[in-house]
Amino acid sequence: GAGVSQSPSNKVTEKGKDVELRCDPISGHTALYWYRQSLGQGLEFLIYFQGNSAPDKSGLPSDRFSAERTGGSVSTLTIQRTQQEDSAVYLCASSSLGRGVKQYFGPGTRLTVT
Amino acid sequence: GIQVEQSPPDLILQEGANSTLRCNFSDSVNNLQWFHQNPWGQLINLFYIPSGTKQNGRLSATTVATERYSLLYISSSQTTDSGVYFCAVERNNAGNMLTFGGGTRLMVKP
Repeated sequence: GAGVSQSPSNKVTEKGKDVELRCDPISGHTALYWYRQSLGQGLEFLIYFQGNSAPDKSGLPSDRFSAERTGGSVSTLTIQRTQQEDSAVYLCASSSLGRGVKQYFGPGTRLTVT
Repeated sequence: GIQVEQSPPDLILQEGANSTLRCNFSDSVNNLQWFHQNPWGQLINLFYIPSGTKQNGRLSATTVATERYSLLYISSSQTTDSGVYFCAVERNNAGNMLTFGGGTRLMVKP
């Protein structure tokens, strides 16, 4: 596609429910990243997929967070048993493979946990 | 991890004024990007500038990698320039993820 797309754009959920957020990277981009932006923590890295390598999960805040990438393209970020502190904007980015390359960001999913 | 500090945190300008935003980072990097976050939250790529100088219209950026800082220049500011400007870096010899600074919130008044 022309750019990184994410869905849904907004999600409101009750505390304790599970949510799934989707990211469609730019066609041909083999690297995919998830970040989140919250009021207290700014913009922070969550997880990174690069080609067929094992993902870098070093930024995931707890074991309630997981992500997968199917077929080297679309990625889903899953948050189990959501808490109010999970409320944030979740941003996906993609890039071509390699170090020091430009990352392109999607519009984000705004998650509100009530 | 690498530290990224942006200054000033807040900036108010009159339309037509010029400004300089600064980004300091604590380690060597192989990627540095400047973003503008619009009121809808979208991160717009302004510059990919791990070193050197680039210009795009009224905006330009300079990164001096050896001294670990980057500058974003906005000339003849317009109200549409309002928003938050982020600097983000990818550290050498570490994962490919970007580490973001805290941002500069710019308001341009008509």
